[in-house]
Amino acid sequence: GENVEQHPSTLSVQEGDSAVIKCTYSDSASNYFPWYKQELGKRPQLIIDIRSNVGEKKDQRIAVTLNKTAKHFSLHITETQPEDSAVYFCAASNPNTGFQKLVFGTGTRLLVSP
Amino acid sequence: EAGVTQFPSHSVIEKGQTVTLRCDPISGHDNLYWYRRVMGKEIKFLLHFVKESKQDESGMPNNRFLAERTGGTYSTLKVQPAELEDSGVYFCASSLGREGTEAFFGQGTRLTVV
Repeated sequence: GENVEQHPSTLSVQEGDSAVIKCTYSDSASNYFPWYKQELGKRPQLIIDIRSNVGEKKDQRIAVTLNKTAKHFSLHITETQPEDSAVYFCAASNPNTGFQKLVFGTGTRLLVSP
Repeated sequence: EAGVTQFPSHSVIEKGQTVTLRCDPISGHDNLYWYRRVMGKEIKFLLHFVKESKQDESGMPNNRFLAERTGGTYSTLKVQPAELEDSGVYFCASSLGREGTEAFFGQGTRLTVV
């Protein structure tokens, strides 16, 4: 089955710096890759997603890149702000096993210091 | 519109006791998912309902876990008898289910078995 690895487990940056979180997946049939942000005490919320037919997607300060050949995808946050502090989860899904049966990474705790 | 709601938010029970978690999905969402995050690890899929039918229960740990979704609305997840390793945060998510639609998560139920 699918296995998703996520690095780093913790990431500390200064406000204004960029942050990059990387994930790799094992199932080449996976074609949907969402990123969720979970603030302390709150629910995981989708912040951006990418499908296998594109290599990059941007939404204001966040972007996701996908390398299908290498089976890895990354989240990029530019001009980080303290409110970006949260746990970020990457995930992958294979339409053959269920489009939204998500396989998650272990999460990255991002801390943005003022 | 209300999001996915879960009850209780926290539960502390003794080993051997029974606990029932409840999830109310977003109205109109036929697809309902249960996930679990054990401390510091990934969010793992437990099972998937389409309306009242179990579509995929491959992630259920063992027969101490029973999920139901009578009438295709809210769902319950019962753990009986609870063991120490069942501790974690149990998330429910719902979606319309069509490709390209987001899975919305609840805030989770933190279960502690002592």
